[in-house]
Amino acid sequence: GENVEQHPSTLSVQEGDSAVIKCTYSDSASNYFPWYKQELGKRPQLIIDIRSNVGEKKDQRIAVTLNKTAKHFSLHITETQPEDSAVYFCAALYGQNFVFGPGTRLSVLP
Amino acid sequence: GAGVSQSPSNKVTEKGKDVELRCDPISGHTALYWYRQSLGQGLEFLIYFQGNSAPDKSGLPSDRFSAERTGGSVSTLTIQRTQQEDSAVYLCASSLRGGVEQFFGPGTRLTVL
Repeated sequence: GENVEQHPSTLSVQEGDSAVIKCTYSDSASNYFPWYKQELGKRPQLIIDIRSNVGEKKDQRIAVTLNKTAKHFSLHITETQPEDSAVYFCAALYGQNFVFGPGTRLSVLP
Repeated sequence: GAGVSQSPSNKVTEKGKDVELRCDPISGHTALYWYRQSLGQGLEFLIYFQGNSAPDKSGLPSDRFSAERTGGSVSTLTIQRTQQEDSAVYLCASSLRGGVEQFFGPGTRLTVL
């Protein structure tokens, strides 16, 4: 069935450094890829998304890249801040449903 | 406007009892999803409603789980004869239509003793 893999499962970076999280998906028909941030005890919040007709999208310190041929997409956070610490989930749309990756716990060390 | 709301926020029940979890989606959103999130884990898809179409129940883990969506708005997830492995946070999300940005509710934390 449809599958989304996500790496790494945990990531620690120094404040100010960049963080990169990578996801791969299995179904080439998938055409929408959102990223969610979930702080401890809170609901997931969409931070950025990308559709398959573009290769990159940027919003301030956050960017997402998509490689359709390789079926992978990545989240890039630059100039990380302590408030970026959270669990990040990627997802891929299959038909009308979403399959989520297992999550990456990002810790930004001051 | 108001976001997605869920109730109760916390539910503690005894093994074998039935529970009902409620989701109020954003007004006008035709798509509604239920997910389960076990401690420290990702989001497991349970069921999807889109308008008046038959729901996609492919993610329900057993026949003890069922869900309804009345009048295309409020949804109720029912778990019968709860088991300890049902303990998790149950998240509801809605979107304007299928396949676009989802907005999540705060979740219901279910604990089965």
